[in-house]
Amino acid sequence: DTAVSQTPKYLVTQMGNDKSIKCEQNLGHDTMYWYKQDSKKFLKIMFSYNNKELIINETVPNRFSPKSPDKAHLNLHINSLELGDSAVYFCASSQGNAGQIYGYTFGSGTRLTVV
Amino acid sequence: GDSVTQMEGPVTLSEEAFLTINCTYTATGYPSLFWYVQYPGEGLQLLLKATKADDKGSNKGFEATYRKETTSFHLEKGSVQVSDSAVYFCALTSSGGYQKVTFGTGTKLQVIP
Repeated sequence: DTAVSQTPKYLVTQMGNDKSIKCEQNLGHDTMYWYKQDSKKFLKIMFSYNNKELIINETVPNRFSPKSPDKAHLNLHINSLELGDSAVYFCASSQGNAGQIYGYTFGSGTRLTVV
Repeated sequence: GDSVTQMEGPVTLSEEAFLTINCTYTATGYPSLFWYVQYPGEGLQLLLKATKADDKGSNKGFEATYRKETTSFHLEKGSVQVSDSAVYFCALTSSGGYQKVTFGTGTKLQVIP
């Protein structure tokens, strides 16, 4: 069983479209995250939810909207996609703030290409 | 704010060579320090960690020691293998509350037979 699973793995779409990426974890963790990795491998946090509550919201265009229907799921919806949104998006989870001590568990990523 | 600085890559080594990847950090309080590894096409995996000064994290032959006096957490391995080829990320979280993980820019390691 995959601990943190993301779908889709690859997403190619045209500029201006709206798309969603889904993330699910079966670890019983209550904190989930979205990270963006650019072409130079730089990782930047976007959002974090704890028990469906938004706790970290970095400076991200409001075209990006996270949604957490329950603590096992954190989805990312992107409106009006732009070329600069092309990147690999990683979902991660941890138990509470124990990520500080035990680290995160990452999904395998969603490669988004905007053409 | 918090920051992590890693040596620029790529690092190319022959099999069985000694590996050092340098990492220094800036943070408030007493951060926890991590090394993550990303194999091609995969997500990041936690490699090792240290939560207080002088702690040594180790896993799969890799080691790193939390040096508060030099604010460093260098990754070492005595004898690398081709299967170690990956991108390595140094990271930290500051203490207190819900803190994000701050990552370094990653160092690509290529091990040739």
